[in-house]
Amino acid sequence: SQKIEQNSEALNIQEGKTATLTCNYTNYSPAYLQWYRQDPGRGPVFLLLIRENEKEKRKERLKVTFDTTLKQSLFHITASQPADSATYLCALADSGTYKYIFGTGTRLKVLA
Amino acid sequence: DGGITQSPKYLFRKEGQNVTLSCEQNLNHDAMYWYRQDPGQGLRLIYYSQIVNDFQKGDIAEGYSVSREKKESFPLTVTSAQKNPTAFYLCASSIAGSWQYEQYFGPGTRLTVT
Repeated sequence: SQKIEQNSEALNIQEGKTATLTCNYTNYSPAYLQWYRQDPGRGPVFLLLIRENEKEKRKERLKVTFDTTLKQSLFHITASQPADSATYLCALADSGTYKYIFGTGTRLKVLA
Repeated sequence: DGGITQSPKYLFRKEGQNVTLSCEQNLNHDAMYWYRQDPGQGLRLIYYSQIVNDFQKGDIAEGYSVSREKKESFPLTVTSAQKNPTAFYLCASSIAGSWQYEQYFGPGTRLTVT
């Protein structure tokens, strides 16, 4: 069956450290993979998109990698800050339709 | 300001009643989506629409209905046939025809049915 998996356990890190979140998928061949941030009680906000032919994408303190062989994407936040505390969702586009498939998200808490 | 609005933010209904959630966007996007989010679960797609007067069922469409009479609007009706309607409902839009673009989400509506 098709699945997207993110670590369901919360990730706690110290301010200033790099946070690394994982997104694994099975039985998909996505051309694109996206990452979103969601704060409690609010809608997700788009952060980054990476294409299958891109190994890495950066935006300010954010970095995303995409390994289609491992079927995995890693999301990094460098020099993390308490304001980065949120749930981070990965999503991929089903190439057969225009549906977006979302992971369950990983809650990140950056400790001051 | 362009964006997506959902109303109301909180909605309470008695079991057995139909309820309609509003979603409006002024981003000129062709595609619109409805998701449901439950604690500990990811976003699950209810319905989506790529163009006016056309929509497709998502993964959990049973007990829900939609319409797309205008490009800007995509209301969702939660019917009495939906067995567990209490949830956080999110509406989103994107440029249709290409899933290389991101989705823009509304603030959500929290529906409680008792």
